[in-house]
Amino acid sequence: EVQLVESGGGLVKPGGSLRLSCAASGFTFSSYSMNWVRQAPGKGLEWVSSISSSSSYIYYADSVKGRFTISRDNAKNSLYLQMNSLRAEDTAVYYCARDRLGAVTTYDYWGQGTLVTVSS
Amino acid sequence: QSALTQPASVSGSPGQSITISCTGTSSDVGSYNLVSWYQQHPGKAPKLMIYEVSKRPSGVSNRFSGSKSGNTASLTISGLQAEDEADYYCCSYAGSSTLGVFGGGTKLTVL
Repeated sequence: EVQLVESGGGLVKPGGSLRLSCAASGFTFSSYSMNWVRQAPGKGLEWVSSISSSSSYIYYADSVKGRFTISRDNAKNSLYLQMNSLRAEDTAVYYCARDRLGAVTTYDYWGQGTLVTVSS
Repeated sequence: QSALTQPASVSGSPGQSITISCTGTSSDVGSYNLVSWYQQHPGKAPKLMIYEVSKRPSGVSNRFSGSKSGNTASLTISGLQAEDEADYYCCSYAGSSTLGVFGGGTKLTVL
């Protein structure tokens, strides 16, 4: 069974940093591109960042470019999101999502999400 | 990259059919057959319902179908059931720099 479990969310002050993790199991993690998608309270979904299976290709939404860094450790079946210079508008539930094989931006499995709150 | 445009809400009675539209541009929906649809119940993670415009993942009811014409994609749910009440989001590939763009979401109410 495919499982994605996020962790690392919490309350942080504006300008602060946070590192999210996503532990994957039930599939060959190293074969899949992975993504972070967020959802602000009461709002819609927003794609944040993507990383290819071997980390060769990395992409960011304009809203987080230069502040967030996506990475992965295939030996540990884990995905990460380092978030720096956090702003109030980064407050959201952050989901880890797997790309369906061969279908970019098709997110076939999602974690339960981890809440990040940026507030003083 | 602007979000795709969806109606804020749609409603239907049990047994009826409804269609949710998702309008983009020639840079996203109109250029690629990489439109997907997600169902999200309150407090839950999204679930993939349709991918590549009209394909259904294993386990998704055949009451859900997708299509595309020009810059607009559509999700149709036939034989509405109470458990279909949820938020629905479309998503499209938008090129090699932006990758994915979502619609604003549509709240489906089953009357």
